[in-house]
Amino acid sequence: RKEVEQDPGPFNVPEGATVAFNCTYSNSASQSFFWYRQDCRKEPKLLMSVYSSGNEDGRFTAQLNRASQYISLLIRDSKLSDSATYLCVVTRFLRSNDYKLSFGAGTTVTVRA
Amino acid sequence: ETGVTQTPRHLVMGMTNKKSLKCEQHLGHNAMYWYKQSAKKPLELMFVYSLEERVENNSVPSRFSPECPNSSHLFLHLHTLQPEDSALYLCASSQDRQGDWEQYFGPGTRLTVT
Repeated sequence: RKEVEQDPGPFNVPEGATVAFNCTYSNSASQSFFWYRQDCRKEPKLLMSVYSSGNEDGRFTAQLNRASQYISLLIRDSKLSDSATYLCVVTRFLRSNDYKLSFGAGTTVTVRA
Repeated sequence: ETGVTQTPRHLVMGMTNKKSLKCEQHLGHNAMYWYKQSAKKPLELMFVYSLEERVENNSVPSRFSPECPNSSHLFLHLHTLQPEDSALYLCASSQDRQGDWEQYFGPGTRLTVT
């Protein structure tokens, strides 16, 4: 089983719509969670960290569900500029000063006018 | 320049060639990484350096050889590659090699092996 799995999409939504998608992780010892954004033919960039209590950054809301082992990202009032691939990143502590970092394959979102 | 830079941006090489990818970070970070990104697949972590010491090598074939001469520079030496090695190679850096530090990525080198 892959350590991190994402629905590849694509999620095609009109401008102004709300879109949400999840990322599941297999190891219950996972401890840090992030959403990165990767535009077409560009490098990934951190969108937001995901905290246990959930967090919001403008139109973006991230949630963590440890019981079901998934994180989610919700985008409200979608803009054309939100079109990108969203990568889920999970880290797990292995031993002293050693972490395993796992990326999902990404969820593609396309916002249309 | 700021951030993480990579050269070359595009590289086409034959299976018998030897080439090197270069990465430079201007952020004062202590950890640097090489990733491979193939179409529709997750980023694969290849190598991790922390304070110029290699701390992780994820079963990467020996035809890929990393070098970290100092905390700002990272190289990936390539020789006798295979066509399946064609991919986007991304360099990244973070403040330290700990799981909760943001990774800053370079623009990548798109490698084609013919």
